[in-house]
Amino acid sequence: DTEVTQTPKHLVMGMTNKKSLKCEQHMGHRAMYWYKQKAKKPPELMFVYSYEKLSINESVPSRFSPECPNSSLLNLHLHALQPEDSALYLCASSQEPGRNQPQHFGDGTRLSIL
Amino acid sequence: EDKVVQSPLSLVVHEGDTVTLNCSYEVTNFRSLLWYKQEKKAPTFLFMLTSSGIEKKSGRLSSILDKKELSSILNITATQTGDSAIYLCAVEVSVGAQKLVFGQGTRLTINP
Repeated sequence: DTEVTQTPKHLVMGMTNKKSLKCEQHMGHRAMYWYKQKAKKPPELMFVYSYEKLSINESVPSRFSPECPNSSLLNLHLHALQPEDSALYLCASSQEPGRNQPQHFGDGTRLSIL
Repeated sequence: EDKVVQSPLSLVVHEGDTVTLNCSYEVTNFRSLLWYKQEKKAPTFLFMLTSSGIEKKSGRLSSILDKKELSSILNITATQTGDSAIYLCAVEVSVGAQKLVFGQGTRLTINP
């Protein structure tokens, strides 16, 4: 188990559903990240939050909506997803933006879109 | 466009062998290079290499950063079956905030 906790571990949803992925860390990290990982591919960055503010959006479709309610929590709201959005969604955190500190990853949410 | 390339993409060896995994990069605003090990779930952090820390070692694993050649190697000696995993190289770049650019990964299989 990692110190970055993601829920749920698995999610199956239809294309018209609305769901949310949650990520929590209690290491006092001030930078948090969402990645998407397709099978046999490396993680691809989606969003970066620094001090609870969105600092990078890698041109992600609006059907993915991130939210950072506080320094420990990061959500990813999902709506009207497509089958090609099926993937492992990884959350990561790092100590402080601008400092050379490694990102630590959660175990991910495996998402399947029917 | 920032690019990170790993080689080989796949490697099969016998237990006890020594392996060397390669990573090369072409990026702007380099900050650091990281190695991760991924089995079924989360990538787990192995090493971070920066301009001020170009060589790291932990047990049977070691890594070196060559800033002149824009590359890094990850060495694993006396391999064990538990070393079987995908090894990811990532370069941290600064674009206002910090982001990781990953290579494709090397799938390492250790046979008993």
